[in-house]
Amino acid sequence: DTAVSQTPKYLVTQMGNDKSIKCEQNLGHDTMYWYKQDSKKFLKIMFSYNNKELIINETVPNRFSPKSPDKAHLNLHINSLELGDSAVYFCASSRGGITEAFFGQGTRLTVV
Amino acid sequence: AQSVTQPDIHITVSEGASLELRCNYSYGATPYLFWYVQSPGQGLQLLLKYFSGDTLVQGIKGFEAEFKRSQSSFNLRKPSVHWSDAAEYFCAVGNTGNQFYFGTGTSLTVIP
Repeated sequence: DTAVSQTPKYLVTQMGNDKSIKCEQNLGHDTMYWYKQDSKKFLKIMFSYNNKELIINETVPNRFSPKSPDKAHLNLHINSLELGDSAVYFCASSRGGITEAFFGQGTRLTVV
Repeated sequence: AQSVTQPDIHITVSEGASLELRCNYSYGATPYLFWYVQSPGQGLQLLLKYFSGDTLVQGIKGFEAEFKRSQSSFNLRKPSVHWSDAAEYFCAVGNTGNQFYFGTGTSLTVIP
C-alpha cells in the first residue's frame, strides 16, 4: 500500500484553467503538507494542515486553495493557472511532534 | 528563522569512492535534522534523521550523518558509492511545530 498517494502524477493544462490535485495518506498522520518544487529543485512549503485545520499558509497566491475534507486527505485546487505555476507539487504527511515527513510521488504540473 | 544551506549544487564521484555531502543549518533551538534522497521522477525518501542522542546516525542504503553542533553541520557520508546512488539529496531542518525547511539540494552524479 502506498503511504502517501497523489493523483494525477502528470497534469498538462492550458493557461486560465482550474485544476485540482488530490492527496491521501493511510498512515494515520495528523499533519499534511503541500510543497512546490521548482525547476531548480528548490522545495518550498505552501500549506500545512493539522487535523483539518490550516496551520501554515506561506506566501502563496490566493489562486491556490487547499481543502482538507478529513484528516487523511488534503487536496490542492488551483484557479486561473499561469505559466509560472508549472512545477512539481508534493504532498507530505507527518505524525506530529518531533518526527519526519513522508512524501508522495509528486504531481508534475505543466501549464501551456 | 530556520534555514538550511547545502553549499554544493552538484557533485561527481567515481563508483566505489567515498562521498560527503555538506549541510549547514541555522536554528535557535535544538534542531531536528533530516536527509532525504530524490531519484529522478520520484518523491523524497528519508535516508536518516537526527533528533537527539548519539551524534553519528546510521541510515538506509549505507549512509550515515554526523551532527556537529559547534559547526552547525549535519554532513552526509557514504564510504563507497554505488551507481544507483545518483540522485538529488536534500538536507532539512524541522521543529516541534511540524515545519520542515529544506536546503536547495545537491545533485550527485556517479561515474563508472
